[in-house]
Amino acid sequence: GEDVEQSLFLSVREGDSSVINCTYTDSSSTYLYWYKQEPGAGLQLLTYIFSNMDMKQDQRLTVLLNKKDKHLSLRIADTQTGDSAIYFCAYTDSWGKLQFGAGTQVVVTP
Amino acid sequence: GAVVSQHPSWVICKSGTSVKIECRSLDFQATTMFWYRQFPKQSLMLMATSNEGSKATYEQGVEKDKFLINHASLTLSTLTVTSAHPEDSSFYICSAGPGTRDNEQFFGPGTRLTVL
Repeated sequence: GEDVEQSLFLSVREGDSSVINCTYTDSSSTYLYWYKQEPGAGLQLLTYIFSNMDMKQDQRLTVLLNKKDKHLSLRIADTQTGDSAIYFCAYTDSWGKLQFGAGTQVVVTP
Repeated sequence: GAVVSQHPSWVICKSGTSVKIECRSLDFQATTMFWYRQFPKQSLMLMATSNEGSKATYEQGVEKDKFLINHASLTLSTLTVTSAHPEDSSFYICSAGPGTRDNEQFFGPGTRLTVL
């Protein structure tokens, strides 16, 4: 949605790191999420970060949150072909509804 | 845990017919279920929110008489697309909650509807 902005496309070589960026407008959410969607499938929750944290690391995934700038990023280390998918950042608004970005399509090339 | 299923995974129907899509929470009780629609290469658009035992709340611009939602139990919600037309062809995704984090939602695998 327009409250959450993401770049639409990212191409990365296998083995390199991927960084997907997201900016949002509503700072009231307690948690911010990253979802992964593979072709023809539903959304899989990849990771999340609590709004009072700056960083969270979960295996190959690193989430950085800059609350002042309302900027969220997802770094995938050692990107693999299986990481090719669309990645959505999201947060729950004050009505309890998930607000999604438009999604970033990540293409991993050999 | 927190598994949500949808049935069918895909369906093709003729214009004018009605199609029912089921969304089930398999291992938890979902007091709230959400229905989304996704067009190709676009984000998810929330259609409606349903709470068990009460009427669904539809988002602006979504026709409640066309997209009938029933949430009769804590594990099942259904979306019926009535008198389907080709423009209703889309990917429909449900989610169920709440989870433990900030109204967390668990997503189903989606249903691809094609109306001929």
